[in-house]
Amino acid sequence: QKEVEQDPGPLSVPEGAIVSLNCTYSNSAFQYFMWYRQYSRKGPELLMYTYSSGNKEDGRFTAQVDKSSKYISLFIRDSQPSDSATYLCAMTDMNTGFQKLVFGTGTRLLVSP
Amino acid sequence: NAGVMQNPRHLVRRRGQEARLRCSPMKGHSHVYWYRQLPEEGLKFMVYLQKENIIDESGMPKERFSAEFPKEGPSILRIQQVVRGDSAAYFCASSPPEGRQGVLDGYTFGSGTRLTVV
Repeated sequence: QKEVEQDPGPLSVPEGAIVSLNCTYSNSAFQYFMWYRQYSRKGPELLMYTYSSGNKEDGRFTAQVDKSSKYISLFIRDSQPSDSATYLCAMTDMNTGFQKLVFGTGTRLLVSP
Repeated sequence: NAGVMQNPRHLVRRRGQEARLRCSPMKGHSHVYWYRQLPEEGLKFMVYLQKENIIDESGMPKERFSAEFPKEGPSILRIQQVVRGDSAAYFCASSPPEGRQGVLDGYTFGSGTRLTVV
């Protein structure tokens, strides 16, 4: 079983839709949870990160962490064609070093005009 | 600020040759990380280096792979005697040295080197 599971998609939505992206994980030691966006042929770009459980909002993006369920989500409101990319969740295990990120496989998102 | 610079962007090697991938961290960043992204898979941690030190190489294959970050110059990921299974995108990231949140806020990836072994 992978430490971090993420549906690869693709997830296709019309412009303006609310998008929900999710990851589940098995390691209860994970404490920091990140969301990265990766455009084709580019490196991952950090969108936001949260510590432990709770919500965090940044513009159209909201990240949620439910440590009791080992489940994290990223919501994108009013999705735009420019949001079309692969979204990667990542997390860190404080026991093995917070600098080492453990990634999901990524979900490919397609937003059509 | 030029960001994390990786070169070459694309590298083609025949089986058995050596591949050398270079990474220049962002200005002010002293920590470097290498990740590998295989097709249809997420990024996998390989190694974490500081200047002249390997801090964590738990993700490095035991043979043929090595990494360095010398006092002067870029970090180098070296793959000896490449095989077809080494074909992947290799990403370098860098971060500043200070504090946990500083590291995570500043953790920046380059655009990657795409290695193709023929």
